[in-house]
Amino acid sequence: EVHLVESGGGVVQPGGSLGLSCTASGLIFPDYALHWVRQPPGRGLEWVARVSADGLDIFYSASAKGRFTISRDNIKSSLYLQMNSLTIDDAALYYCAKEEISGGGLDFWGQGILVTVSS
Amino acid sequence: QSVLTQPPSVSAAPGQKATISCSGTISNIGNYVCWYQQFPGSAPKLLIYDDNKRPSGIPDRFSGAKSDTSATLAITGLQTGDEAEYFCGAWDTSLSAWVFGGGTRLTVL
Repeated sequence: EVHLVESGGGVVQPGGSLGLSCTASGLIFPDYALHWVRQPPGRGLEWVARVSADGLDIFYSASAKGRFTISRDNIKSSLYLQMNSLTIDDAALYYCAKEEISGGGLDFWGQGILVTVSS
Repeated sequence: QSVLTQPPSVSAAPGQKATISCSGTISNIGNYVCWYQQFPGSAPKLLIYDDNKRPSGIPDRFSGAKSDTSATLAITGLQTGDEAEYFCGAWDTSLSAWVFGGGTRLTVL
């Protein structure tokens, strides 16, 4: 069974940086594109970034572009999100998610990791 | 303001059918649409992918359909356990971004 486990969340001051990790098991990690999706408390889902299976094609949401960096290590079966210049609007539960092989959905999600931005 | 538009809430009686709409543009709905179910305190769960396919373990009470710039999730034989938030999603080729609907709260009453 596929398992995705996020780590690295916590409290950070506005303007600060934080790095998230997502460790995967139960899948052939290099075969799948991966995403970060976030959800502010009590609100809907907001897509953050996508990295292709080989790590070469990367896309960001408008709010993440220029501040966040998604990357992956196919040897360590790990996905990363480096977040810089954080604002209170970045406070959310951050999920890593695996893309279904056809690209038509995100079929496995981690349990989420909380990022709090507060002074 | 979400790129994909969903009604904030939908309600229906147990045993009946509920439909949740998701409207957008050809740039997003024209690609594969997916649907997610989310209970409070839990991660989203994929219900429908590739417009109308169900992952293993998803009952056939859940179905997806699409027409032009609108997609629909239908849930038949409603159960109280179906009360949850439902989100649609799709890749938007104009934005080069994955987009979600704002979510629909389903109440079974």
